[in-house]
Amino acid sequence: DGGITQSPKYLFRKEGQNVTLSCEQNLNHDAMYWYRQDPGQGLRLIYYSQIVNDFQKGDIAEGYSVSREKKESFPLTVTSAQKNPTAFYLCATQKTTTQETQYFGPGTRLLVL
Amino acid sequence: KNEVEQSPQNLTAQEGEFITINCSYSVGISALHWLQQHPGGGIVSLFMLSSGKKKHGRLIATINIQEKHSSLHITASHPRDSAVYICAVRLWSGSARQLTFGSGTQLTVLP
Repeated sequence: DGGITQSPKYLFRKEGQNVTLSCEQNLNHDAMYWYRQDPGQGLRLIYYSQIVNDFQKGDIAEGYSVSREKKESFPLTVTSAQKNPTAFYLCATQKTTTQETQYFGPGTRLLVL
Repeated sequence: KNEVEQSPQNLTAQEGEFITINCSYSVGISALHWLQQHPGGGIVSLFMLSSGKKKHGRLIATINIQEKHSSLHITASHPRDSAVYICAVRLWSGSARQLTFGSGTQLTVLP
């Protein structure tokens, strides 16, 4: 079954704790993206990766980190430096970085305790 | 000012009504996307447009490049169409890497 999986669906973080959100794809897409969605706002780009072992900051990268060691995987770590991490996080992929459709995962909702 | 503006923010319709959601943008773009987000949060791409009009089932998307405006139409609306509809543009000025998103239109279709 092809697609994008994100886990967990819900994640709780304590103050000062780092947490990692998983994103895995078996679409053989080159590009992967992490977005943050807050109520009443459009999706905002956190990080993106065009190829393995390369990634670039998006518009709101502060307090986040990523890695792209494998084509299939693009995990996002929300660090303790991110002061307002409560949001819905969406991972997306695109076959290449040219003008094509993006495909989205089901998302992870992060809540701070 | 947001580069992508959608209207209305919220829309309630009766089943069977014709629905129009609008998207305006302020910069030059190379493509415009319409996305659908269901209550569970998952997002599906509906259309990608760079000119003219596209149709898929009961959904029609149009774009007017000169006026920097796009519309998404739903004919014979149904309660299962209830979702958030999101407009996103790929800017000419930016690299091809990213989209800029509108804040979405919450559509509720009542039976």
